[in-house]
Amino acid sequence: DTAVSQTPKYLVTQMGNDKSIKCEQNLGHDTMYWYKQDSKKFLKIMFSYNNKELIINETVPNRFSPKSPDKAHLNLHINSLELGDSAVYFCASSQLAVSTETQYFGPGTRLLVL
Amino acid sequence: ILNVEQSPQSLHVQEGDSTNFTCSFPSSNFYALHWYRWETAKSPEALFVMTLNGDEKKKGRISATLNTKEGYSYLYIKGSQPEDSATYLCAFRTDSWGKLQFGAGTQVVVTP
Repeated sequence: DTAVSQTPKYLVTQMGNDKSIKCEQNLGHDTMYWYKQDSKKFLKIMFSYNNKELIINETVPNRFSPKSPDKAHLNLHINSLELGDSAVYFCASSQLAVSTETQYFGPGTRLLVL
Repeated sequence: ILNVEQSPQSLHVQEGDSTNFTCSFPSSNFYALHWYRWETAKSPEALFVMTLNGDEKKKGRISATLNTKEGYSYLYIKGSQPEDSATYLCAFRTDSWGKLQFGAGTQVVVTP
């Protein structure tokens, strides 16, 4: 079983559309994250939810809205897609209270905005 | 140092040789340092989480050391094999909220 899964794996869409990326973890973790791999290949955190509560909210356009229906899911909705949103988006999860706990990453969603 | 820096950016290693590379991070507000191994088209795979000055971790032929006072960590690969080819990322954490600040990575290519 995949520990952290994302759907879809690839997403090609037109500028101006609204799209969602889904993430699910079966590790029983209490915290989930969204990262964006930027044009320079850096992984940068966007959001984090702990027990369905938003705990990290970096400087991200408000067209990006995370939604956590339960601890095992963290979805990313993007409104009015722009060319610059093209990137690889990674979901991750961890057990936050444990300082030595690592974050487990999903396979990534490759988004291409045309 | 304000950000996480990794050097070198890339290195080529002959199979069987050992190698090492550096992660530098701010020496203040240290909480934890993470190392990941990232193969192309796959997800980053956790190697180590280090929290204490002087920590040494080992996983097979890969090991890491940590110096929080001077703000650096070394990753060592002993007897490199082609399957060690990957980008090795370090990530710095300043608090308990889980925010990781990643370096750009060191790309390792091991040639037979």
